[in-house]
Amino acid sequence: QQQVKQSPQSLIVQKGGISIINCAYENTAFDYFPWYQQFPGKGPALLIAIRPDVSEKKEGRFTISFNKSAKQFSLHIMDSQPGDSATYFCAATSGNQFYFGTGTSLTVIP
Amino acid sequence: GAVVSQHPSWVICKSGTSVKIECRSLDFQATTMFWYRQFPKQSLMLMATSNEGSKATYEQGVEKDKFLINHASLTLSTLTVTSAHPEDSSFYICSVVAGGSWEQFFGPGTRLTVL
Repeated sequence: QQQVKQSPQSLIVQKGGISIINCAYENTAFDYFPWYQQFPGKGPALLIAIRPDVSEKKEGRFTISFNKSAKQFSLHIMDSQPGDSATYFCAATSGNQFYFGTGTSLTVIP
Repeated sequence: GAVVSQHPSWVICKSGTSVKIECRSLDFQATTMFWYRQFPKQSLMLMATSNEGSKATYEQGVEKDKFLINHASLTLSTLTVTSAHPEDSSFYICSVVAGGSWEQFFGPGTRLTVL
């Protein structure tokens, strides 16, 4: 059973546009929600993360929106750049239990 | 964040041989490390949790006799793929959890190709 559902599977955005990736979870015990960015042939790198006591967190062009009641969270990439082209994974954690989404392949067209 | 290294970054071996992959936490002591496997264009699949000084905890369906994990120190965990076969070809990634936090930091991965 997929603990974290992520969509879309792939996304193509024009340079300067907004990229939006969505994730949903069921287990209300999850207490930490990170997003990872992975370039081909590299390990994932922590991009931004949020805890369920806040509804939004912004770091530069990256924003996480968190809806606790709906058990959904999303990553927004503002002013998307070709260098943002990568695979993005959401995750939900509880203690040492990590559950990853299936990943979204983002392509930003110049 | 924590700095994690893996060695080698890529390895090619013949079928039937064993391959050891090292995962090092360079700037802090990690009591727990994770080993993942990732197929092309797929998500990370947790293989096992490596605990310093004790036996690793393997996920369901992962053969513990095939994927030997040794976490002998607080900065080093090794994954040995024994009697490797072409179907073991994959991208293997380790990670550490920073003590006292929920953040997980990944190594750069090791590309294993078994001929």
